[in-house]
Amino acid sequence: DAGVTQSPTHLIKTRGQQVTLRCSPKSGHDTVSWYQQALGQGPQFIFQYYEEEERQRGNFPDRFSGHQFPNYSSELNVNALLLGDSALYLCASSLRTGTGQPQHFGDGTRLSIL
Amino acid sequence: AQSVSQHNHHVILSEAASLELGCNYSYGGTVNLFWYVQYPGQHLQLLLKYFSGDPLVKGIKGFEAEFIKSKFSFNLRKPSVQWSDTAEYFCAVTGGNKLTFGTGTQLKVEL
Repeated sequence: DAGVTQSPTHLIKTRGQQVTLRCSPKSGHDTVSWYQQALGQGPQFIFQYYEEEERQRGNFPDRFSGHQFPNYSSELNVNALLLGDSALYLCASSLRTGTGQPQHFGDGTRLSIL
Repeated sequence: AQSVSQHNHHVILSEAASLELGCNYSYGGTVNLFWYVQYPGQHLQLLLKYFSGDPLVKGIKGFEAEFIKSKFSFNLRKPSVQWSDTAEYFCAVTGGNKLTFGTGTQLKVEL
């Protein structure tokens, strides 16, 4: 059991659509990070949320946005989907931002853009 | 900007062979270093981590890694691999918030 749960498992969208991915962190964790993993690549950092605020952002356009709720769960929203957004989206949780504590990963959401 | 380089993209070994996977990083400050493993069909799992202290760190399943600051390296080792070690291995570095991953090494262990 990963502890971090993500939904949905798989998703198929078409170009131009919008998508929302969801993540529940491991019990006791308060920080959620999102990563994009393209085929054959390592995960790329999208952004991190702590105390319901975006704390740090990777090199992703504004089409990628997020939210963290008071119960620490989080959503990743992607607007105006492009073919290149097809990837595995990973959510990771940890305790307290900025401490470098190990992040625990979920199984991911496989997003396919047609 | 932090970066991680993994030089071996695909490694094939026979059972009982020794393993060493290379990882070099670039970061200007104090770093925390990690090795993650992804078994087929499973999520990323933490193998081991280095924060400070003894540069030789031991992780789960008999894996260890050595932090060599002068070489900016954090190589992963295992004296004798098993078929069940077949997986993808990722080296990662963080200065606090985001993890920066290498491109991964696909390890296949043959019986």
